[in-house]
Amino acid sequence: GAVVSQHPSWVICKSGTSVKIECRSLDFQATTMFWYRQFPKQSLMLMATSNEGSKATYEQGVEKDKFLINHASLTLSTLTVTSAHPEDSSFYICSARAPEGPNEQFFGPGTRLTVL
Amino acid sequence: GQNIDQPTEMTATEGAIVQINCTYQTSGFNGLFWYQQHAGEAPTFLSYNVLDGLEEKGRFSSFLSRSKGYSYLLLKELQMKDSASYLCAVSDSNYQLIWGAGTKLIIKP
Repeated sequence: GAVVSQHPSWVICKSGTSVKIECRSLDFQATTMFWYRQFPKQSLMLMATSNEGSKATYEQGVEKDKFLINHASLTLSTLTVTSAHPEDSSFYICSARAPEGPNEQFFGPGTRLTVL
Repeated sequence: GQNIDQPTEMTATEGAIVQINCTYQTSGFNGLFWYQQHAGEAPTFLSYNVLDGLEEKGRFSSFLSRSKGYSYLLLKELQMKDSASYLCAVSDSNYQLIWGAGTKLIIKP
């Protein structure tokens, strides 16, 4: 149980375009989902915390207007990278916290974004 | 501030035992997690400690001392597939995970 899917697994886009990444909890309802970014050989960097039905809480230094997060249901959160630039190229990973248990986060497989 | 420290890189031999340490200073404590991350993949859960002591799960064990702000992950009978980064993360008073930078473990035959 506790499976999180993420789509797409990789995407290549041109500079200036927008990219949407979906994160779904497949067998549980996730009231809270998290979006991380990871650059090569670096640790996870939390971008924002997404709660179903409310606005996401962004970490300091993360642009809200550039990284749009929508947690429309208890099983789906989306991250849209607007007007992507090459410096946005990174590995984006979502996670979801199950409502029960030791507040463990279950991770999606990640999305590798390359902006040309 | 909140801080998680773990070694950047460790090397061990196949079949041996390795211990990866993690020290932390956080605002509140609601448990400590260890995750394994292979290159290019998302982290996968290994263990969770919230009380002092040792938790054993197969070849992997995790230890916690809350008074010392210290944990370690012990890997026994190392296999080549154990080559990965190992991330220590602490759940703070807001149940938010504070992540260490990860320890890259290199296994040599």
